[in-house]
Amino acid sequence: DTEVTQTPKHLVMGMTNKKSLKCEQHMGHRAMYWYKQKAKKPPELMFVYSYEKLSINESVPSRFSPECPNSSLLNLHLHALQPEDSALYLCASSQDPGDRDRVNQPQHFGDGTRLSIL
Amino acid sequence: AQKITQTQPGMFVQEKEAVTLDCTYDTSDPSYGLFWYKQPSSGEMIFLIYQGSYDQQNATEGRYSLNFQKARKSANLVISASQLGDSAMYFCAMRVVGDDKIIFGKGTRLHILP
Repeated sequence: DTEVTQTPKHLVMGMTNKKSLKCEQHMGHRAMYWYKQKAKKPPELMFVYSYEKLSINESVPSRFSPECPNSSLLNLHLHALQPEDSALYLCASSQDPGDRDRVNQPQHFGDGTRLSIL
Repeated sequence: AQKITQTQPGMFVQEKEAVTLDCTYDTSDPSYGLFWYKQPSSGEMIFLIYQGSYDQQNATEGRYSLNFQKARKSANLVISASQLGDSAMYFCAMRVVGDDKIIFGKGTRLHILP
């Protein structure tokens, strides 16, 4: 079992639907990440939250809206998605983004949400 | 700019043999960390091993070891005594000081044959 929990594990939605992906960690990590991963490709970074504030947005379309309600939770709100948005969405966390000299912090990933857009 | 290169898209290895997965990297930063992740077909990304740029010794974690050759900018993963459960995609990744992001290579799909 991973220490980063993602729900739901699978999601099928139409292009007009609104849904949310949820991510939770209880390791005291202060950085949280959303990635999109297509089949047979590496994860692509979407967003980074550092101390509950959005620090990186990798030019993600506005139909993806991240939210970090507190240090343990990370949401990704989805609206009006396109078929090409079908992918595995991975959440990750790492310890202390404030200490940028510490390159030894791995990111711990959840199991992901497999999203299919009809 | 940082870059990770994994030149082996796929590998087939007999069970119980040792496996070496290649990774080369490029960065001008003197301080960086290198990571290996395993991703089974179920999807989760599992952190395996870490090597820091200033570490004098190669990292080891159980059956995993990292062959770190700094001058050649390579950080190969060695899996000893491979098992069927080692079949997965393996990603090499790097983080440099001052950056919240990690850079992933394209991955190597490892197949362990019975």
